[in-house]
Amino acid sequence: QQQVKQSPQSLIVQKGGISIINCAYENTAFDYFPWYQQFPGKGPALLIAIRPDVSEKKEGRFTISFNKSAKQFSLHIMDSQPGDSATYFCAASKGSSNTGKLIFGQGTTLQVKP
Amino acid sequence: DTGVSQDPRHKITKRGQNVTFRCDPISEHNRLYWYRQTLGQGPEFLTYFQNEAQLEKSRLLSDRFSAERPKGSFSTLEIQRTEQGDSAMYLCASTRQTNEQFFGPGTRLTVL
Repeated sequence: QQQVKQSPQSLIVQKGGISIINCAYENTAFDYFPWYQQFPGKGPALLIAIRPDVSEKKEGRFTISFNKSAKQFSLHIMDSQPGDSATYFCAASKGSSNTGKLIFGQGTTLQVKP
Repeated sequence: DTGVSQDPRHKITKRGQNVTFRCDPISEHNRLYWYRQTLGQGPEFLTYFQNEAQLEKSRLLSDRFSAERPKGSFSTLEIQRTEQGDSAMYLCASTRQTNEQFFGPGTRLTVL
């Protein structure tokens, strides 16, 4: 059972453009939604995260938009740069009172063209 | 560098051999996780430790897999009688009493 669905599978954006990656979840018990960035041969690195009590969180060029009623959240990368080329994963977990294990989406490979 | 280290970074073994991986979490982190990532997929949860106690194991963790975290510090993941399907990146992550998990660089296992 796929609890977190991510789209698109791959994305090509011109330098300076906006990259948008979407995720949908099924389990309403999820209460923590992070985004991770992964370069080839490296472990995932935490980019930004949100909890369902807010609809948007911004950190630098990265913004998470969260729609609790639709059970969807998205990552927006503003002014995309070639250095942003990587694989991005959304994830969800049930909170620190539980084990906190992360359920990941399938990933989106982003290519930013110069 | 997140401060989580894993050793070895790469392991090539023959089918049927046993392998052991080590993870050293960030020192003040009491929660430790193991995940497995196959090519083109997101990481999948394997097991979770709070201090030295193993509190959850995924159904993915067959009886050939065992994990330990003696004294609540470093952790080891052992795979016995490796199979070609075990080839993957094995990732370790740690955190304190929050959800912010910090991942190590992973151990890439290739089973020939």
